[in-house]
Amino acid sequence: GAVVSQHPSRVICKSGTSVKIECRSLDFQATTMFWYRQFPKQSLMLMATSNEGSKATYEQGVEKDKFLINHASLTLSTLTVTSAHPEDSSFYICSAERGGSTDTQYFGPGTRLTVL
Amino acid sequence: GEDVEQSLFLSVREGDSSVINCTYTDSSSTYLYWYKQEPGAGLQLLTYIFSNMDMKQDQRLTVLLNKKDKHLSLRIADTQTGDSAIYFCAERDSGNTPLVFGKGTRLSVIA
Repeated sequence: GAVVSQHPSRVICKSGTSVKIECRSLDFQATTMFWYRQFPKQSLMLMATSNEGSKATYEQGVEKDKFLINHASLTLSTLTVTSAHPEDSSFYICSAERGGSTDTQYFGPGTRLTVL
Repeated sequence: GEDVEQSLFLSVREGDSSVINCTYTDSSSTYLYWYKQEPGAGLQLLTYIFSNMDMKQDQRLTVLLNKKDKHLSLRIADTQTGDSAIYFCAERDSGNTPLVFGKGTRLSVIA
């Protein structure tokens, strides 16, 4: 149990376009989802925390108008990178948890975004 | 702010034990985790330990927690080439809060 999927796994787009990444919890309902960004050979950087039905909480330095997060249901959160630029190229990973004080975060397989 | 530190590299011979160490600064850390990341993949939860535990063993994995020194370790017995990956230590205060990650330890297993 506790499987999280991401779609697409890899995307290449032109500068200026918008890209949507989906994160789904397949076998559980996720009250909270997190979006991370990982640069090559570096750790994960938390971008935002997303709770179902409410606005996402963004970390300092993350532009909320550029990285739009929607958590419309208990099994789906989306991250849209708007007007993508080459510096947005990165590995984006989501995680989800059921909720409760003892639960753990389960991570998706990641989405590699390359902006040309 | 909260900080999690790990050594960046570890190299061991196949069949030996690997010990990956982690230190953290947040005294209110309640949950501590070890994740494994293979190249180009997401994070796989290996194991976790609550702060009121000293040790947890799960097959080849043993986690030791020294809460006084804020030191966490992951021991992999009989290390195999398939264990080569990056191992991330992470901590959090409570449920539904973000994890704070270390920079990851790259484990290389030499056949």
